[in-house]
Amino acid sequence: DAKTTQPTSMDCAEGRAANLPCNHSTISGNEYVYWYRQIHSQGPQYIIHGLKNNETNEMASLIITEDRKSSTLILPHATLRDTAVYYCIVSRATSGAGSYQLTFGKGTKLSVIP
Amino acid sequence: EAQVTQNPRYLITVTGKKLTVTCSQNMNHEYMSWYRQDPGLGLRQIYYSMNVEVTDKGDVPEGYKVSRKEKRNFPLILESPSPNQTSLYFCASSRQGRVYEQYFGPGTRLTVT
Repeated sequence: DAKTTQPTSMDCAEGRAANLPCNHSTISGNEYVYWYRQIHSQGPQYIIHGLKNNETNEMASLIITEDRKSSTLILPHATLRDTAVYYCIVSRATSGAGSYQLTFGKGTKLSVIP
Repeated sequence: EAQVTQNPRYLITVTGKKLTVTCSQNMNHEYMSWYRQDPGLGLRQIYYSMNVEVTDKGDVPEGYKVSRKEKRNFPLILESPSPNQTSLYFCASSRQGRVYEQYFGPGTRLTVT
């Protein structure tokens, strides 16, 4: 699986958009980008995923650059409850050797400030 | 309510005393997995199971055993716990083919003295 690079921490004002970047310059053509978050000591929570098109759901938007070497998770109106560690993961979605493992890195600690 | 449950949630034990952490899911998921989380190291996969009677090692399997005799249950067994297995453990499950969308349990905080 491709390696990802995320900033260690970020701050965001409550009510503003939180933009969390992720670099994955070695991503291959059949690898997806997944985002999870973990609120303090709780189990991680799936947020969104994408291959090459931008994606949006009720939680967030995912913007993937045209060359697929980086992506940005956008929380449109951050609240205090969005304070968490956000993980960007790159992995294949279909069956195959090693593809059933999601490898979590260290993520970005997002602090939403009142 | 769809959920993954783990028991116990907190456990303090001594070196060498066998223990089992249970994990159960009510979503009929084929895929289940165990992770451990340690400060500075993030989440690391211990074992995973693609279906009943099918298990495989993750990144850090040493010192752990698992079994998958029923679809809903995936217990984690520490035959002879050691202090370096003190950690926060998470169980997760997902549908086969949507393994990227894993549902995590609340975690088990284990301390081995």
